[in-house]
Amino acid sequence: KAGVTQTPRYLIKTRGQQVTLSCSPISGHRSVSWYQQTPGQGLQFLFEYFSETQRNKGNFPGRFSGRQFSNSRSEMNVSTLELGDSALYLCASSLRGGPEETQYFGPGTRLLVL
Amino acid sequence: AQSVTQLDSHVSVSEGTPVLLRCNYSSSYSPSLFWYVQHPNKGLQLLLKYTSAATLVKGINGFEAEFKKSETSFHLTKPSAHMSDAAEYFCVVSPLNQAGTALIFGKGTTLSVSS
Repeated sequence: KAGVTQTPRYLIKTRGQQVTLSCSPISGHRSVSWYQQTPGQGLQFLFEYFSETQRNKGNFPGRFSGRQFSNSRSEMNVSTLELGDSALYLCASSLRGGPEETQYFGPGTRLLVL
Repeated sequence: AQSVTQLDSHVSVSEGTPVLLRCNYSSSYSPSLFWYVQHPNKGLQLLLKYTSAATLVKGINGFEAEFKKSETSFHLTKPSAHMSDAAEYFCVVSPLNQAGTALIFGKGTTLSVSS
């Protein structure tokens, strides 16, 4: 089976712009979650989607949003980019998103905001 | 609230010597606990997980961890380090008191292995 794929792998944007990141889960996985990794804050949970519905949300401002499509692919969007949004954004998938399930992570999208 | 604390931000060992990466957790419930590894410019890979079965959990690449409820610890060990073990390691707790997933990561421990 193919693993979790994320596109693009690298992205450079300027302050005030918006960006959309894409994640394709492992085939058959219906839960997709997103994490932000920065040197200062470490890895932080953004949100989780299951069956096209946001099921959990982390403590991030409303500029961060996401969605999931009927084929379980997910996108996250960040509007009005700030310098502090520079980070590695990781996507993870699992069968149903149960707390005991293994989360399989993609390679990440590295976003640089100038 | 649930949390994990990785007690060392950096651990250095020599090749062939034992590895110990320490993790304490805080949880009102019996949690699911994981160790993930991240090699430079790579995604996260699961090493092992504890989900209330055996307290001694064996993972990939010779790693194992022991769940100790009395000490609220979940330390990661390996008898003999290899150069390829150099990476960042994350202890992770998965809250059980909610539907779905929202992993809580420790700050990470960077493991350096010298020859």
